[in-house]
Amino acid sequence: QKEVEQNSGPLSVPEGAIASLNCTYSDRGSQSFFWYRQYSGKSPELIMSIYSNGDKEDGRFTAQLNKASQYVSLLIRDSQPSDSATYLCAVNGANQGGKLIFGQGTELSVKP
Amino acid sequence: DARVTQTPRHKVTEMGQEVTMRCQPILGHNTVFWYRQTMMQGLELLAYFRNRAPLDDSGMPKDRFSAEMPDATLATLKIQPSEPRDSAVYFCASGSTGLGYREQYFGPGTRLTVT
Repeated sequence: QKEVEQNSGPLSVPEGAIASLNCTYSDRGSQSFFWYRQYSGKSPELIMSIYSNGDKEDGRFTAQLNKASQYVSLLIRDSQPSDSATYLCAVNGANQGGKLIFGQGTELSVKP
Repeated sequence: DARVTQTPRHKVTEMGQEVTMRCQPILGHNTVFWYRQTMMQGLELLAYFRNRAPLDDSGMPKDRFSAEMPDATLATLKIQPSEPRDSAVYFCASGSTGLGYREQYFGPGTRLTVT
């Protein structure tokens, strides 16, 4: 079992729809969770961080965390073609110091 | 504008040559990470430093790779000798352990091609 798993993708949604990206992790003691966006040929860009159970909203983005289910998700409302990118889930596990474990990423395509 | 910088952005070299990649972390950040990204393996952690001390380099092939942080503003990753399988994008990221946060900010990367 991989430490951090994401939807295999690619995920295709029409412009204006809600895109839902999911991530599960294996280390129950994990404390910090992040979503990065990576455009083709570019570096990962931190877009959301979440540390406690529940929802965290930032503009069109909402991160949801459920530690009991070891599940974190990212919702993108009113998806735009400019949201088309690969989204990486990253987890800081217990006793990992500053290390992040990254998922393989989910490619999102928003169709006009 | 606080950003991680990396040089060179692109490097093409022949097998057997030495490659040195440099990274300048965001001022004030005390942790530095080196990652390698390929289509097949995704994003892999090679090594990381806290307060310039190496904490973990278990992801790095020890016989050919070395990572150092000679001062707080410079981290280096060297490959000697380079091999075609080292072709990848190498990212440096920096962060701060203050307040228990673990956010990391990535540089633009060095795209390495070994022929």
